[in-house]
Amino acid sequence: NAGVTQTPKFQVLKTGQSMTLQCAQDMNHEYMSWYRQDPGMGLRLIHYSVGAGITDQGEVPNGYNVSRSTTEDFPLRLLSAAPSQTSVYFCASSRAGGENTEAFFGQGTRLTVV
Amino acid sequence: RKEVEQDPGPFNVPEGATVAFNCTYSNSASQSFFWYRQDCRKEPKLLMSVYSSGNEDGRFTAQLNRASQYISLLIRDSKLSDSATYLCVGLRSGYALNFGKGTSLLVTP
Repeated sequence: NAGVTQTPKFQVLKTGQSMTLQCAQDMNHEYMSWYRQDPGMGLRLIHYSVGAGITDQGEVPNGYNVSRSTTEDFPLRLLSAAPSQTSVYFCASSRAGGENTEAFFGQGTRLTVV
Repeated sequence: RKEVEQDPGPFNVPEGATVAFNCTYSNSASQSFFWYRQDCRKEPKLLMSVYSSGNEDGRFTAQLNRASQYISLLIRDSKLSDSATYLCVGLRSGYALNFGKGTSLLVTP
């Protein structure tokens, strides 16, 4: 069972470069989201989607774009990388709603912007 | 101010000890709560859901007090393998998760 697959696992970018972090899930989950995790800050929501064609901003959306053309895929685009975007990025998916909603996370992408 | 607040620790306890983590939340619209566990440099994984009636899973007990906006996790008979960061999480709007910053636990021999 693949679950949530994130690629790449590691990436080094130069300031100003753009790139796309890939996220795919095979559980037919409606909800997908992207988080960044920084020391002392916990996980912060960047963007999320409640279904194909629907996306919305989270807590820290600036500098990132997303799209959701299929249920399975939810890529995160860095438009012009900045050192402040050095972080660990996690993609997650879940079914919508309720006490039994479990979010499944990808293994994370460690991004360094120099 | 984050919607979910936790004491970051670290909590250093000997094997066999009982340890309790607390968490408070500020958004009364949060519908459900969870504890996630995150091992070093790994992704978070669900430990258990938290119900108002309290729930237990082996050595772990979780409690939610909606009146006080307070969530707890109790770990009995700590094992070395319990060393991790424990994340308190609130669920809003059916799908938007709010994470606390996490509480670090180190269980020592």
